[in-house]
Parts: sequence; C-alpha cells; structure tokens
Amino acid sequence: GEDVEQSLFLSVREGDSSVINCTYTDSSSTYLYWYKQEPGAGLQLLTYIFSNMDMKQDQRLTVLLNKKDKHLSLRIADTQTGDSAIYFCAERPNYGGSQGNLIFGKGTKLSVKP
Amino acid sequence: ETGVTQSPTHLIKTRGQQVTLRCSSQSGHNTVSWYQQALGQGPQFIFQYYREEENGRGNFPPRFSGLQFPNYSSELNVNALELDDSALYLCASSLTTSNEQFFGPGTRLTVL
Repeated sequence: GEDVEQSLFLSVREGDSSVINCTYTDSSSTYLYWYKQEPGAGLQLLTYIFSNMDMKQDQRLTVLLNKKDKHLSLRIADTQTGDSAIYFCAERPNYGGSQGNLIFGKGTKLSVKP
Repeated sequence: ETGVTQSPTHLIKTRGQQVTLRCSSQSGHNTVSWYQQALGQGPQFIFQYYREEENGRGNFPPRFSGLQFPNYSSELNVNALELDDSALYLCASSLTTSNEQFFGPGTRLTVL
C-alpha cells in the first residue's frame, strides 16, 4: 500500500541545521516533495526531487534521496525562527504511466528556539 | 501572476446540510486538485479535474463531488455533511505538463 511516514516533532536552536526525515513505500513514485505549512495557512512548495536523483540543493535547502531504502530527507541550513512550521513530505506515485496525485505524510512540526 | 485563491475562508454548517467551496486556479493552470486536511493530519487527495472532467479520485464517497469551469476554476460540493467532514479543504492547481502543484490558503469547514 501507499504510506508516507515522518517523525512528528523536531526542535532545534536558531543557527543550527535541521534535518527532517521521511520514508515512503511506493517504489513507482517519480517525484518526491517537501511542503511547508505555517499556522492557519495553505501549503507552500519548498522543493522537489526526481526519483533518479540523489541530491538537490536550493539555497539553504538540501534534499537527499535514498531510493533503495525509500528514504527522503530535508536539511535546512542556518535554521531561523521564521522556519518554524509543519513540514510535509509527499510522494507522487506513477500509476501505469500516468501521474497520480500527492500522498502526504502527517507532517513534522519544526520548532526553532532563539 | 495571481496565485490560487479559495472562498470562503471559513464556514460553519450543521450535520446533514450541503456545502459548496470554490477555487480559482493560478493563471494559466488547467488542472485542479482538491484535498481534505483533518486536524493534525496531512492532506488527503479527494479528486482532480482536468478539461472540466474528473481525472482521478481518492477514497472519498460520492457525496463529495466537483465541477471545473471553462476558465479552470473549480467547485467542491459536499452533500449530507457529517461531523467528520470538519477539516481544512485545500485546492491545488497545476499544469498537466508540470510536476508542481500550488496550493491555495484553504477553506476551514466546521460541521456542528
């Protein structure tokens, strides 16, 4: 079946790096995503990675993908208080050649302490 | 470029009533997906519309239905509301050729 697992909470100090982890189950997933949700708001697309890539870097964000273990991580360098939010990992399964819709984890709440 | 907008922002209904939620897609986007996000959970896919037709559906009963209009805007209709329908309803728009879905701010539905 399809399932995306994330740890529920992460607490870091301002200026440290944050690493949020995710595991997924569908090996057919072609794209994997990270979204950010601030309180009372919708989801903001942070970054995504194609399944044939191992790493993608975008400014303070680094995504690592281990396709063998179906493990995805998001590293935020120099974490700021404004990074405090819930981070969702999502997979996009490929159903018989057509792109399925996003399957989300339950989200990791990142708290950044000054 | 205008982002995804949704209306209303908040809504309170009673059990058994019907509700219509609206979404305007980002300029140029021809595909709209709807998601339900219960409190403390990740979003769950309800269905997707492309070219005014349903193009994929998640595990939701038929009382959840939708429409897409020629200008790509969309509606989500829920009949016979139940208490468990209380959630944040998110709309996302995309191009079928794109890998990115962009979300609106959501409509918070409370069913009493």
